[in-house]
Amino acid sequence: QQPVQSPQAVILREGEDAVINCSSSKALYSVHWYRQKHGEAPVFLMILLKGGEQKGHEKISASFNEKKQQSSLYLTASQLSYSGTYFCGTEMWGTSYGKLTFGQGTILTVHP
Amino acid sequence: NAGVTQTPKFQVLKTGQSMTLQCAQDMNHNSMYWYRQDPGMGLRLIYYSASEGTTDKGEVPNGYNVSRLNKREFSLRLESAAPSQTSVYFCASHPNGLYEQYFGPGTRLTVT
Repeated sequence: QQPVQSPQAVILREGEDAVINCSSSKALYSVHWYRQKHGEAPVFLMILLKGGEQKGHEKISASFNEKKQQSSLYLTASQLSYSGTYFCGTEMWGTSYGKLTFGQGTILTVHP
Repeated sequence: NAGVTQTPKFQVLKTGQSMTLQCAQDMNHNSMYWYRQDPGMGLRLIYYSASEGTTDKGEVPNGYNVSRLNKREFSLRLESAAPSQTSVYFCASHPNGLYEQYFGPGTRLTVT
């Protein structure tokens, strides 16, 4: 079952922060985050494992709440280059290793 | 090291025509995937192959067939194209273990 992302779209000015959420009704083994620029392939950002690990990549970090089956992506001090569509991909317990189900995406637009 | 390659990049078909989308990876990955991406729908899994010689249906397999020719190549065939199959198709590969999926550049298919 497809995870649900919120919000569907976010508009920011440079330097502002944003949070993107990803919720699943199934027990999750891991959550993956990708960013996609218009007309390009998705690019990997990070993987989070069960256990509430928080990973970071420069000013982008994420958390995974295993009890709530929810992950959040945090973008701080946003830059113009952060614009794009963000997808979470969820890997469920008992599925083929590495097989992901993606959310519908969150469109992030950063203005100068 | 080319990563994941897809051919063709663009294709226009008439309803009822058939075609095969090609995908190849040179990273010695075991798993390969075919996704379709439609506006507002995220990435939906069509078929996947966990290892050479095996294939399984994903969320939206109707109207498609796949072949895992060898470890490198995973092709997607449309036997009788329909306008509903107009989409962007991405191939991805994945090594064993907790790693990211690597995406190809995509094929933009229009069925008229």
